[in-house]
Amino acid sequence: DAGITQSPRYKITETGRQVTLMCHQTWSHSYMFWYRQDLGHGLRLIYYSAAADITDKGEVPDGYVVSRSKTENFPLTLESATRSQTSVYFCASTAAGANVLTFGAGSRLTVL
Amino acid sequence: GENVEQHPSTLSVQEGDSAVIKCTYSDSASNYFPWYKQELGKRPQLIIDIRSNVGEKKDQRIAVTLNKTAKHFSLHITETQPEDSAVYFCAASMGRGSSYKLIFGSGTRLLVRP
Repeated sequence: DAGITQSPRYKITETGRQVTLMCHQTWSHSYMFWYRQDLGHGLRLIYYSAAADITDKGEVPDGYVVSRSKTENFPLTLESATRSQTSVYFCASTAAGANVLTFGAGSRLTVL
Repeated sequence: GENVEQHPSTLSVQEGDSAVIKCTYSDSASNYFPWYKQELGKRPQLIIDIRSNVGEKKDQRIAVTLNKTAKHFSLHITETQPEDSAVYFCAASMGRGSSYKLIFGSGTRLLVRP
């Protein structure tokens, strides 16, 4: 859906570097989520946010930082990337009370 | 803790046969259970969902059943077709208000053999 976009779609970086993955949605959805997808682990929740300035840790938050200063944006930052953070990252959003998550196209991150 | 277990991890069926994927969840307060299909290289897409006040829901060849007492829910695909080949994820809602989130199972790779 054009309503939720992720950037960059592909990123190669080195261990120790800072990386920020961007997520932007045009629906004014209250809830936004970051998941990582690894073979054998499915979709694991990293961080989520119920509204601007409200964020909380998910299942695997270590090594990640998020912010949500505006409703439409939910960036995910790896402050010091590690090889174990090589993954596909999906952002998703939903409106309050709607439940149904819509996913972005994903960002494939490789940490060398 | 908050978790969703999904089985099997892989499933191979002959075209025309049925496929069943099962999930269990840990939080008895969960009230929303979606299923997502993910084709290779694509994003997950919702295919069907069910809420806790309903025991079964159908949409053409796809059906989902929910057993709240046992904390089980299942996806049933009948008359499978090659285009059903994909990875399927179940999920369960957890938390409310500012703590609302969806927790996903580990996925099932379905292969439909022509």
